[in-house]
Amino acid sequence: AQSVAQPEDQVNVAEGNPLTVKCTYSVSGNPYLFWYVQYPNRGLQFLLKYITGDNLVKGSYGFEAEFNKSQTSFHLKKPSALVSDSALYFCAVRGDQAGTALIFGKGTTLSVSS
Amino acid sequence: DTGVSQDPRHKITKRGQNVTFRCDPISEHNRLYWYRQTLGQGPEFLTYFQNEAQLEKSRLLSDRFSAERPKGSFSTLEIQRTEQGDSAMYLCASSLSGPGNTIYFGEGSWLTVV
Repeated sequence: AQSVAQPEDQVNVAEGNPLTVKCTYSVSGNPYLFWYVQYPNRGLQFLLKYITGDNLVKGSYGFEAEFNKSQTSFHLKKPSALVSDSALYFCAVRGDQAGTALIFGKGTTLSVSS
Repeated sequence: DTGVSQDPRHKITKRGQNVTFRCDPISEHNRLYWYRQTLGQGPEFLTYFQNEAQLEKSRLLSDRFSAERPKGSFSTLEIQRTEQGDSAMYLCASSLSGPGNTIYFGEGSWLTVV
């Protein structure tokens, strides 16, 4: 069965500092990994995804994520955090078999202080 | 293209009443998904369609829930005999078929059962 773990409920960083939001996954076959962001009372916005190829994926708003197959991780990173990055972040995974749904983690709240 | 749209955005209903939500996907997308999200949790998969065929249903989708996509375009999610536990945000999403394609979400429909 597919699963996603986001071990931190909340991550606090100061503006200008680098940030990391952690994600580990379990899936049969090759993984397709996604990060989404959610602002209060809004839907989910797509940030980036890993399908194949380069382990470092670049996405929207300066975010990037590193795929590590041996550690089954897909951590979200940004070199310099902004206060406007404060939001709820979700990691999601699906397998490469037909019909598998996208499964989400519980989310990590990122709080960036000025 | 205006993205995935959902209607209504908010619905308050009395326990025992039926409610219906509508979703209009991105026009060229053949896959349509329904998810449910409660406070403090990540989105939980309910069901998805490829064109008009409902291909997968979660065990979360009780007999009181029914979803349709009659012409392979818009979809409806109906909840019969609502219960307080049905209070949640119902998210619709769409994509092209294929596990690596990005799933785009709408703004969600909030349901409050009183």
